[in-house]
Order: sequence, then C-alpha cells, then structure tokens
Amino acid sequence: QVQLVESGGGVVQPGRSLRLSCAASGFTFSRYGMHWVRQAPGKGLEWVAVIWYDGRNKYHADSVKGRFTISRDNSKNTLYLQMNSLRAEDTAVYYCARDGYRILPDGKNQWEQPHWGQGTLVTVSS
Amino acid sequence: QLVVTQSPSASASLGASVKLTCTLSRGHSSYAIAWHQQQPEKGPRYLMKVKSDGSHSKGDGIPDRFSGASSGAERYLTISSLQSEDEADYYCQTWGNDIHVFGGGTKLTVL
Repeated sequence: QVQLVESGGGVVQPGRSLRLSCAASGFTFSRYGMHWVRQAPGKGLEWVAVIWYDGRNKYHADSVKGRFTISRDNSKNTLYLQMNSLRAEDTAVYYCARDGYRILPDGKNQWEQPHWGQGTLVTVSS
Repeated sequence: QLVVTQSPSASASLGASVKLTCTLSRGHSSYAIAWHQQQPEKGPRYLMKVKSDGSHSKGDGIPDRFSGASSGAERYLTISSLQSEDEADYYCQTWGNDIHVFGGGTKLTVL
C-alpha cells in the first residue's frame, strides 16, 4: 500500500535552515508529482510546493518563494524540502502528499487518488 | 487569481444529511476540485475529485454516503446518514498549471 513517511522536523531558531524528507513506498514514485503542504497550529491547510514527476518543473507558494526549495531523488524514492531563513510563521506540521495524476508511458496523465503522509512538526522559535 | 471559498462552519444532526459548498473564483468555473477530510488530531484524507460536469472519483474505502456534484462555479460534497465520525474539517483544493490552492476549510459539527 502507498506509504509516505516524513522526517526531519524539529525545533529550529529563526533564520536557520532545516531539510525535510519524505520516503515513499508502495507505488512507482517516478510517475507522480509530489507536494509539500503545511498546517500551522489551529489553522487550515496551505499548499507549499509541487515538483513534477521527473523533477524538471517545480513551483512554490509566494509565502516561501526564495526561501524553500522542493526537490526529489527518484532513485531513492524520496522527496525533500530545503527550508532556509526560517521564520516563526513557518511553524507548522508539514505534510508530504502524492499528486492525484499519474504519468502514463505515452505521456498522458490519469487521475488516481492523492495520498497524504502523517506529517512532521517544524517549530521555529528562539 | 485562483481561489476557492468555503463557509467556515456547518452543522447537522446525527443521521441527517449535509451539503458543503466550495466556490471557485471568477473565470475558473471549469476547474475540478478535490475534497479532503481531516478528523480531529489526524492528517488529511482524500475523499473525492469533483469535475465541472458533476462527475466524481472517490478514494479507496470512501463510503457511498459521500457524494459530489457541481453547478456553475460551485462544487459540492454531500454526506448522508451522518455519523459521529464525520465530525471533521473538510477542505476543497483546486489547481492550475503552476499553483495549488486550498479553501479555508469547513468545520462540520454533528449534533
């Protein structure tokens, strides 16, 4: 079955860096786009970034643009989020999520269900 | 600008039905959306994708009590025969070429 396991969260001081990882299993990782989504305490879901199945395209929310970078290693079935210049407002549970579309061998895409990880908590505090 | 709007709260009685609404911003009425459920202290779970024609694709194990529909720029999630475990936050999500957006969520209370 599909599993997404985030790691790398913790307490970090403002201005410092942190890298999150998401280990994927149970599906062909290289056929799906992947996302990071976060949820601040008591707040709703906020999309953070997406990376295409082959890593060639990546997009970030305006709130993190220039500070966070999404990346992936298809040989390791792992998704990453490099977070630099962290701020207090970045405090949140960070979820890794598989996109709903799978890229088929002919280049077309097919909808399958998205999947979510269990999340990892990042606390930015001095 | 791509935006989806949800009412902050809804409530209905045990065993009754409730219809949650997600409204797409002007110019985006043809977009599909996805509904996600987040029960208290848990991570989100995908419920279904709803297209502009009202067709929907549910996730594995999602009961028949959950259904989707569309009308213009509005996308709906209807939950019938409400159970206590349906008390949760419900988020709609949509996407463009380079952006994904979530609505603010609807907190559903089962009375």
